[in-house]
Amino acid sequence: GAVVSQHPSRVICKSGTSVKIECRSLDFQATTMFWYRQFPKQSLMLMATSNEGSKATYEQGVEKDKFLINHASLTLSTLTVTSAHPEDSSFYICSARSLPLTTSTDTQYFGPGTRLTVL
Amino acid sequence: GESVGLHLPTLSVQEGDNSIINCAYSNSASDYFIWYKQESGKGPQFIIDIRSNMDKRQGQRVTVLLNKTVKHLSLQIAATQPGDSAVYFCAENVQGAQKLVFGQGTRLTINP
Repeated sequence: GAVVSQHPSRVICKSGTSVKIECRSLDFQATTMFWYRQFPKQSLMLMATSNEGSKATYEQGVEKDKFLINHASLTLSTLTVTSAHPEDSSFYICSARSLPLTTSTDTQYFGPGTRLTVL
Repeated sequence: GESVGLHLPTLSVQEGDNSIINCAYSNSASDYFIWYKQESGKGPQFIIDIRSNMDKRQGQRVTVLLNKTVKHLSLQIAATQPGDSAVYFCAENVQGAQKLVFGQGTRLTINP
């Protein structure tokens, strides 16, 4: 149980285009989803916290107009990188925290990540 | 400020030996700690967690120790196997913050 998927796993795009990444909880309902960014050989950096049906909360320094987050249902959150540039190239990882009835309320389960390369 | 750090960025052990990965945290308000394993090109995988009202928790081949006095967390892996090669992250949940703060990670390599 507690499987989180991401799509696509890898994307290459041209500078100036927008890219959408999907995060799905497959076998549980996620009250909260998180989006992280990870540069090579570095740790995960939280970008934003997304609660179903409400606006995402962005971490300091993360541009909300550039990284659009939509959490339309208890199993799906999307991250759209708008007008992507080479410096946005990174490994984007989502995680989901489940409702109390399924597992620990605090445990986050992570997706496999999406490698974004902007040319 | 909030920070979680690791004492060693890399750790190399012989196959079959025990591994100990350390982590220091700074926020005394943290109430929950998790160890994650991340293999190359993949997302973090949950290993084991511990709440702040405990000082030890055991899983299959893994043990997490929490010393709140010195704000130290460790992950012990028994009989390390080649499949244990990965980067290990500790993370802390700051009570009330509803988010995890990750440490810098330790790369564990296994020597045959």
